[in-house]
This record gives sequence, C-alpha cells and structure tokens, in this order.
Amino acid sequence: GQNIDQPTEMTATEGAIVQINCTYQTSGFNGLFWYQQHAGEAPTFLSYNVLDGLEEKGRFSSFLSRSKGYSYLLLKELQMKDSASYLCAVRNAGKSTFGDGTTLTVKP
Amino acid sequence: EPEVTQTPSHQVTQMGQEVILRCVPISNHLYFYWYRQILGQKVEFLVSFYNNEISEKSEIFDDQFSVERPDGSNFTLKIRSTKLEDSAMYFCASSESAPGAATEAFFGQGTRLTVV
Repeated sequence: GQNIDQPTEMTATEGAIVQINCTYQTSGFNGLFWYQQHAGEAPTFLSYNVLDGLEEKGRFSSFLSRSKGYSYLLLKELQMKDSASYLCAVRNAGKSTFGDGTTLTVKP
Repeated sequence: EPEVTQTPSHQVTQMGQEVILRCVPISNHLYFYWYRQILGQKVEFLVSFYNNEISEKSEIFDDQFSVERPDGSNFTLKIRSTKLEDSAMYFCASSESAPGAATEAFFGQGTRLTVV
C-alpha cells in the first residue's frame, strides 16, 4: 500500500526558516516531489528528489533519505506569499500518491 | 510560457449525466495525467496516459471513467454516469519525460465539477 504522512498545519514568522517533514511507505519509488498549492489553485512544482541528499533551489531546499522513507522541504527567508499548502508526493512508475498536505501560515 | 489549459473552469451537471472534461497539454509533452481533489481533501491520482494508452490507473478510475486523446492536442476525461461523490476539482497535468525522470508535471488550473 501507499502511505504518506506530513503535519497538517504549521505556523512560522516572516523572515524565518521552516522545515516541513514527510514520511512515506510505498510499494515502489521513482522519486519524491514537493508542490505548493494556494487555496483554489492548481499545485505548482517546487522540487524533485530521487537520490539521497539535499537539492537546493533558491529559497527552497528539499532533502531525501530513501532508507528512512523521509523527506523534508526547507523554506528560508519566509515571505507572506509562502502561506499555502505544501504537498509531498511519491511517484511509482506512472502513478503519483500525494500526502494530505501541510498548511503553512506565515505571520508578520 | 507554455501552460496546460482546461475547459470548462466550472461544470454543473445532474446526477446520472455524462460529462467530458477537456485538457490541452503542453505541446511537446508526451505524458498526461488526470487527478482529482475533493474540496478540503488531498490530491488523488486517477490515471496516466502515454503513447495513446493508459499507463497506470488508480482504484478510483473505475468503469465509469475513460480517457481519450481524440486528436493531436486534446486530452479528455469522460465520466459516464456522474454521482454526487464525483463532485471535485479535476486537474489535468502533463510532463515532458517519463515518470521517474527528473521532470516536473505541469498542472492545469482545474475544472470544478459539481454534481447535483
């Protein structure tokens, strides 16, 4: 089966750093994606990890440990516009399984 | 910037009616997907499509669902006899390369389907 866990909600302060964790147990693995989704909008791609380690992309970084079934998304220098849901998704062949998403609220 | 476009943006239909949701993927993309998101819930995979056939489908994608690429640009999702629980946002997505490659899927803005 497929199981992806991430915290339901997080709150952080503008300018700070926040780490959103994701753990997964899946029957196959072809990569882990992070998406950002603002309310009422489509998911937009943030990052992709298939090998262990850290991928950095501007203010966003994502880490993967395949042996631990664990990933995190790190957001630096938080801005108010970063308030959104962050979706962890695991791909297995042509199928992606999404977590429930973490709703991040950035406060001034 | 190229984008995935979906029509209509909103669709209201009566229970038992057939609906067709339309998508135009990005032109050089080869892999196409449908997802749905019931209000307040997570994004759920429905089906992936490559080379004019279904690659993968989820348990949600039962006999009342079908997909088609009727021409070189459109990708459609048909729901044969809609049920109240089919009410959701339906997202189409496309990607350039095979699943498993370091490639992102671009999502359309979605069609909100309401079954009454």
